[in-house]
Amino acid sequence: EAQVTQNPRYLITVTGKKLTVTCSQNMNHEYMSWYRQDPGLGLRQIYYSMNVEVTDKGDVPEGYKVSRKEKRNFPLILESPSPNQTSLYFCASSSEGLPEETQYFGPGTRLLVL
Amino acid sequence: QKEVEQDPGPLSVPEGAIVSLNCTYSNSAFQYFMWYRQYSRKGPELLMYTYSSGNKEDGRFTAQVDKSSKYISLFIRDSQPSDSATYLCAMSGAGGSYIPTFGRGTSLIVHP
Repeated sequence: EAQVTQNPRYLITVTGKKLTVTCSQNMNHEYMSWYRQDPGLGLRQIYYSMNVEVTDKGDVPEGYKVSRKEKRNFPLILESPSPNQTSLYFCASSSEGLPEETQYFGPGTRLLVL
Repeated sequence: QKEVEQDPGPLSVPEGAIVSLNCTYSNSAFQYFMWYRQYSRKGPELLMYTYSSGNKEDGRFTAQVDKSSKYISLFIRDSQPSDSATYLCAMSGAGGSYIPTFGRGTSLIVHP
C-alpha cells in the first residue's frame, strides 16, 4: 500500500530539548516536504526536498532543520524547540513536486512544547 | 491581508444540497489552483487541480477559477454525509515557485 508514515504521532516535550520527527514514503517519490498546520493560519510549508541531498526552505523554516540522505526518508529536526512550535505537522511526498501531481500526506504529528 | 482568504465556516447543509466553497486571493501571479479535502485527524488529500482560469469537473465535484476576479470555487453536487470534512484551497506558481499557499480551510458538515 502506497503511504507516507510519520513518527511519533503525538509528542509532548519541553523547551530546548532536541527532537526529531521521522517521515518515510514507499512510493519512490523524488519530492518530499514538511508542513505545519495551525488554527486560523492553515497549512504552511516548512522545508522541501527535490531529491537526495537537495533541500530548500519553504515559507516558515526558522527553528527547523531537515536532511535527505535517503530517497525514502525526510526527517524534521527541532534542535531547540520553543512553545511557538507547538503545532500539527504533516509530511508529504509526490513524484516530482509539480502542482498537478497528487501530494500524499502522512497522518500528522501533533507536537506540544511546554 | 492574507494572500489567500477562505471562510472557516462551519458550513452545515442537508444531504443532497449543492455546496459552494470559495477562496479569494491577492496575488495575481498564481497559476495553479488546488482543492484538498481533509478528514478529521487525517492528512489532506488532493481533490481537484486546475491550471489558470476555467472549469474542471470530476464526478460530483466542479472547480472554477476566475483569475480576473481572483476567486476560486469548489461545487459539490448531491452532497453526502461522507463529504463532511475540511476543504482547503491552495495555489502556487507565482514567480515560478511551486510552493503552495493554502487557505485556512472551510469546515463542511453534511447532515442526513
